[in-house]
Amino acid sequence: KQEVTQIPAALSVPEGENLVLNCSFTDSAIYNLQWFRQDPGKGLTSLLLIQSSQREQTSGRLNASLDKSSGRSTLYIAASQPGDSATYLCAVAGNNRKLIWGLGTSLAVNP
Amino acid sequence: EAGVTQFPSHSVIEKGQTVTLRCDPISGHDNLYWYRRVMGKEIKFLLHFVKESKQDESGMPNNRFLAERTGGTYSTLKVQPAELEDSGVYFCASSQDLGGYGYTFGSGTRLTVV
Repeated sequence: KQEVTQIPAALSVPEGENLVLNCSFTDSAIYNLQWFRQDPGKGLTSLLLIQSSQREQTSGRLNASLDKSSGRSTLYIAASQPGDSATYLCAVAGNNRKLIWGLGTSLAVNP
Repeated sequence: EAGVTQFPSHSVIEKGQTVTLRCDPISGHDNLYWYRRVMGKEIKFLLHFVKESKQDESGMPNNRFLAERTGGTYSTLKVQPAELEDSGVYFCASSQDLGGYGYTFGSGTRLTVV
C-alpha cells in the first residue's frame, strides 16, 4: 500500500532563502508525481508534474526532482518570497492513476 | 478555458440532513474525480467517473454517499443523511486523459456537519 510522507510538516523562513521540501513514498511503482500548492481557503493549484520516466521539472523559481528508486522527491524553491507562503502537497499516482497524498508542508515566508 | 467549478464553497448542515455538492469539470474532460480531506488527515480518493460511468468508487466511505454524473458533464455528490465525521473539504478534479498530464482541481466545498 502506497504511503506518502512529507517533511517538514511546517517551515518558517525569512524572505530570500532557498528552501527544500521533501516527499517520500513507499512504493516506487508510480505513474507520476505531482506537487500542489494550497492557499488558505482556496483550492489546489498544480505546480509541477513529473512523469515516472523523468528526473526533474522546473517552473520559474520552482524545481522538483524525482528519484523513484529511493522513493523520494524534493521541491526546491529559490529566493523565497512572502507570496510563496502556502501549504505544499505532494501526490503520487500509481498505475490506477489515483492520487495518494502526503499531509503537506505548511510554509511561511516572513518579510 | 474555465477551470473546475465547485459549489457551494461552504455548507453547514445539521446531522441527519442531506447535502448535495456539485462539480463542473473543464469542458471536454471525460475524467472527473472526487477527493476529500478530513481535518488533520491526508486527502483521500473517493471516486472516478469516465464520462457518465463510475470507473472506480472504491474510496466512497459508505452508502450514505451517492455520486452521479448525468450526461457526462457536471457531477453531484450527495450525502444523506450527513454525519459529523463527514465534515471536511470535498475536492473535485478533472483531466482530459487518465491523469497522465495532471489534474485540475476545483476550489473545494468545505462541509461542516454540526
